[in-house]
Amino acid sequence: SQQGEEDPQALSIQEGENATMNCSYKTSINNLQWYRQNSGRGLVHLILIRSNEREKHSGRLRVTLDTSKKSSSLLITASRAADTASYFCATDHTGNYGQNFVFGPGTRLSVLP
Amino acid sequence: EAQVTQNPRYLITVTGKKLTVTCSQNMNHEYMSWYRQDPGLGLRQIYYSMNVEVTDKGDVPEGYKVSRKEKRNFPLILESPSPNQTSLYFCASSLRLAGDNEQFFGPGTRLTVL
Repeated sequence: SQQGEEDPQALSIQEGENATMNCSYKTSINNLQWYRQNSGRGLVHLILIRSNEREKHSGRLRVTLDTSKKSSSLLITASRAADTASYFCATDHTGNYGQNFVFGPGTRLSVLP
Repeated sequence: EAQVTQNPRYLITVTGKKLTVTCSQNMNHEYMSWYRQDPGLGLRQIYYSMNVEVTDKGDVPEGYKVSRKEKRNFPLILESPSPNQTSLYFCASSLRLAGDNEQFFGPGTRLTVL
């Protein structure tokens, strides 16, 4: 079952604008992570936010987490053409032996020059 | 260089012909995992491993097997591949439990089952 659901599915913006992507999930989480994927390549970790944190920053990235609404948002400020990629949120759950990971379907971001 | 490697990168095979996709990491990570990626569905976890000889099912384990005999290797085995297993596969590893650790991904294996 899909735990993380990103919104929107696709987003097109002009270079220099801000891009906001949202992620909603269904059950309680321990942590939430955001990853980026350039076309057909492996995912690259961007940022992690723990369930007891509300906001985190890393360079041009800002992540918020609202556990009461079971949602998170990723803001990329002053976007660049190189930010064109798919962005995924991932949440962790406890399985039989440890934690397994659930990724959402992703938001495809296009930054136009 | 710290990395996760997968082989092969591309594979075309026929229904029923057993295959193995290898995954290896050189970072001494305890946690390893396999995902498949399909259009519109994102990544779905197939199996994961907490450490040597400790594995568990993810969300879509049917039709797959794994083993973790050594810390660095985590092969994915398709005993009898079917066309619905055509997908892009990623192996990933992290230092410990994936929840609060960054996962490092391999470059992917594109599998086509005819």
